[in-house]
Amino acid sequence: SQQGEEDPQALSIQEGENATMNCSYKTSINNLQWYRQNSGRGLVHLILIRSNEREKHSGRLRVTLDTSKKSSSLLITASRAADTASYFCAVPYDKIIFGKGTRLHILP
Amino acid sequence: DSGVTQTPKHLITATGQRVTLRCSPRSGDLSVYWYQQSLDQGLQFLIQYYNGEERAKGNILERFSAQQFPDLHSELNLSSLELGDSALYFCASSVVPGIEHGELFFGEGSRLTVL
Repeated sequence: SQQGEEDPQALSIQEGENATMNCSYKTSINNLQWYRQNSGRGLVHLILIRSNEREKHSGRLRVTLDTSKKSSSLLITASRAADTASYFCAVPYDKIIFGKGTRLHILP
Repeated sequence: DSGVTQTPKHLITATGQRVTLRCSPRSGDLSVYWYQQSLDQGLQFLIQYYNGEERAKGNILERFSAQQFPDLHSELNLSSLELGDSALYFCASSVVPGIEHGELFFGEGSRLTVL
């Protein structure tokens, strides 16, 4: 399969805690992308990390990439209610295929 | 606002019918992607066009077809509709089509309900 696979499938945490979700893939990559989808809405691009990068930050988001393990993680720090959404990784090859996502629920 | 426009937003039709979904990409984006999202199947890649030509194909049924026009807008045609075709259909666009792909910009989707 060319797609990334996210883990866990679902995650519930208290507001203010950090959320970590992971993505595994199977072949060599050029880049890996993370997207967020609020319920019933279009996906929104969060961050792109290239194969020669190990870590990237954007606001409260931190993405790491370990090409030797073929995995990436997305960390959301100091979570907020507005972070409740599904998060997808995408691994572009000749196509861009998404995994099934991680459903994140932030509890008040 | 991603700059990608999809119409219609909602569509209700009957089995056996045919519908056309339309997508206008972001200004300057040459590549258009179509995805189907249903509860049990996740986000499925259907097809990609670049500057009017088919670039990549996914799990697109033979009853479905798409094209990208010279003005770069794209249409997804769904025919002989079945109950299982009920889903959200997303269009996305990007600047580059190749292995780099880059960031995808998604529209808000067209929700199709087949009764």
